[in-house]
Amino acid sequence: QVQLQQSGAELVKPGSSVKISCKASGYTFTSYDMHWIKQQPGNGLEWIGWIYPGNGNTKYNQKFNGKATLTADKSSSTAYMQLSSLTSEDSAVYFCARGTTAYFDYWGQGVMVTVSS
Amino acid sequence: DIQMTQSPSLLSASVGDRVTLSCKASQNIYKYLNWYQQKLGEAPKLLIYYTNSLQTGIPSRFSGSGSGTDYTLTISSLQPEDVATYFCQQYNSWLTFGSGTKLEIK
Repeated sequence: QVQLQQSGAELVKPGSSVKISCKASGYTFTSYDMHWIKQQPGNGLEWIGWIYPGNGNTKYNQKFNGKATLTADKSSSTAYMQLSSLTSEDSAVYFCARGTTAYFDYWGQGVMVTVSS
Repeated sequence: DIQMTQSPSLLSASVGDRVTLSCKASQNIYKYLNWYQQKLGEAPKLLIYYTNSLQTGIPSRFSGSGSGTDYTLTISSLQPEDVATYFCQQYNSWLTFGSGTKLEIK
């Protein structure tokens, strides 16, 4: 069955960077987009961008240009998102989700990133 | 950006009730609309795609409808396990979500 296993919670300092992972199993990793979605406490969902692991192509929500960098390792079926120049506004739960350009059919469990000195 | 407005933000209903959740887009999204269910502490789950197509494994008490700018998710007979927050998401222009409707049992 399709599974997306994300890395553990992160506590990071303002101004630093963090890289979180999403290991896929149960399907052909290179055949589907991998999306990343942000959810702040009590808030809704915000789409960050996607990567197509088959060729490494990426697309970003303009709001996250320069903030998020998406990569994928085909050999380990793992997608990554690096967030840079972290501020308190980046404290959130981040989900990876398999999908198409239309919808997200399988989601990871989410990673809580806390930015605090 | 296309803005998605969901109403109400909080809905309280009884088990067995027919429940209707609304989602309004700031412009025509041509039925490019999905619905997700998020239970407390869990990731969202896809319920409905392209306005009215039921995702595999989702109970038939869930249905979707709409066109243009106005869309609806209906639960025909509310069950205790339906307590969750429901989000709509458009994909006509990039991808944006509504702010959610929290559904609770009265």
